[in-house]
Amino acid sequence: NAGVTQTPKFRILKIGQSMTLQCTQDMNHNYMYWYRQDPGMGLKLIYYSVGAGITDKGEVPNGYNVSRSTTEDFPLRLELAAPSQTSVYFCASTTGTGQNEQFFGPGTRLTVL
Amino acid sequence: AQSVAQPEDQVNVAEGNPLTVKCTYSVSGNPYLFWYVQYPNRGLQFLLKYITGDNLVKGSYGFEAEFNKSQTSFHLKKPSALVSDSALYFCAANNYQLIWGAGTKLIIKP
Repeated sequence: NAGVTQTPKFRILKIGQSMTLQCTQDMNHNYMYWYRQDPGMGLKLIYYSVGAGITDKGEVPNGYNVSRSTTEDFPLRLELAAPSQTSVYFCASTTGTGQNEQFFGPGTRLTVL
Repeated sequence: AQSVAQPEDQVNVAEGNPLTVKCTYSVSGNPYLFWYVQYPNRGLQFLLKYITGDNLVKGSYGFEAEFNKSQTSFHLKKPSALVSDSALYFCAANNYQLIWGAGTKLIIKP
């Protein structure tokens, strides 16, 4: 199993540009999450999904959009990038019951200039 | 509001000494409790969890954690620290939603 994979690893965007961060998991997990981690800070939940076709906002959803057309994929879309979106983005997945741990991807480091 | 607190931003320990990274939670009910580790430029990795039962939980890399219900704490411990344990450690509590602590940087000095 590859686990949770994310692409790209690094990206530099100009203000106002858009991009999609890709996330794929091969563990057949129903629950998937997008987090951002700012320097020296903990994780903030952006969006999550409890299954294909179902998504919901987390703590910091503004400026982002998600979709979940398959169990495996959970892309995160940034529209009109702003410097405040400079961060490291992590995708995670789990089977869904609260007692199960989340599995994390390696992260995407995004800089908006 | 529900929260998880990691009161120390950074913990410094000499190699070979025991280490403790503290975590307390303010979450209703009986949450499930987790510790994760993040090495530089990597994603988070699961270390251990408390679901129910024995208050001392053993996990990966020789780490263990002690659950104390009366003090609502879940401190991470290791009897003998290694330089390779240097990383960022996150505590989390799950009661219908996962609540993360802010993280503690652990530095092990040779």
